[in-house]
Amino acid sequence: EAQVTQNPRYLITVTGKKLTVTCSQNMNHEYMSWYRQDPGLGLRQIYYSMNVEVTDKGDVPEGYKVSRKEKRNFPLILESPSPNQTSLYFCASSPSAGDSNQPQHFGDGTRLSIL
Amino acid sequence: GDSVTQMEGPVTLSEEAFLTINCTYTATGYPSLFWYVQYPGEGLQLLLKATKADDKGSNKGFEATYRKETTSFHLEKGSVQVSDSAVYFCGHWGKFQFGAGTQVVVTP
Repeated sequence: EAQVTQNPRYLITVTGKKLTVTCSQNMNHEYMSWYRQDPGLGLRQIYYSMNVEVTDKGDVPEGYKVSRKEKRNFPLILESPSPNQTSLYFCASSPSAGDSNQPQHFGDGTRLSIL
Repeated sequence: GDSVTQMEGPVTLSEEAFLTINCTYTATGYPSLFWYVQYPGEGLQLLLKATKADDKGSNKGFEATYRKETTSFHLEKGSVQVSDSAVYFCGHWGKFQFGAGTQVVVTP
């Protein structure tokens, strides 16, 4: 089954403790991205990746890092989490950013609470 | 820059009522447009799409027409059900821009 898998689904942690949210897709997609969803603000893109070893900042990249060492995985790293990063996070993938007929597939989301 | 604006919610209506959610966009060129739906506790699912001007996307009784002249992609459904209660996001290809989402609540 084609899917985007995020882990963990839920996490409560404390300020400053490094964490990683993993994202994996099994569709051989080139394009992957991370969003955060906050009430009243909708979805905002954090980082995206056009292909392996190619990443770029989205609209709200501060406080986050990503890597794309292999095609299927696109982890989101919070080196020193802070309470303002408490949010619902979504990973998404698409065959190619250059194909305007191909929408993104989304994971089920990761709810992070930073105390 | 590229952006998507959609009407604020929540939108509350009774079962079998007519639903319209307005969406307008700004973009370079004419990107594909999408509507996604997010049911409670779930991720986003593609509801429908339109890839060029005057295209109409449709799915599950929902429709939206790509209007180049008004830069709009309004979502409509003639008779909503309780199961349509969800958050709806308008988006365009561009930089995968999304609107802020509109919560729809349908009561029996």
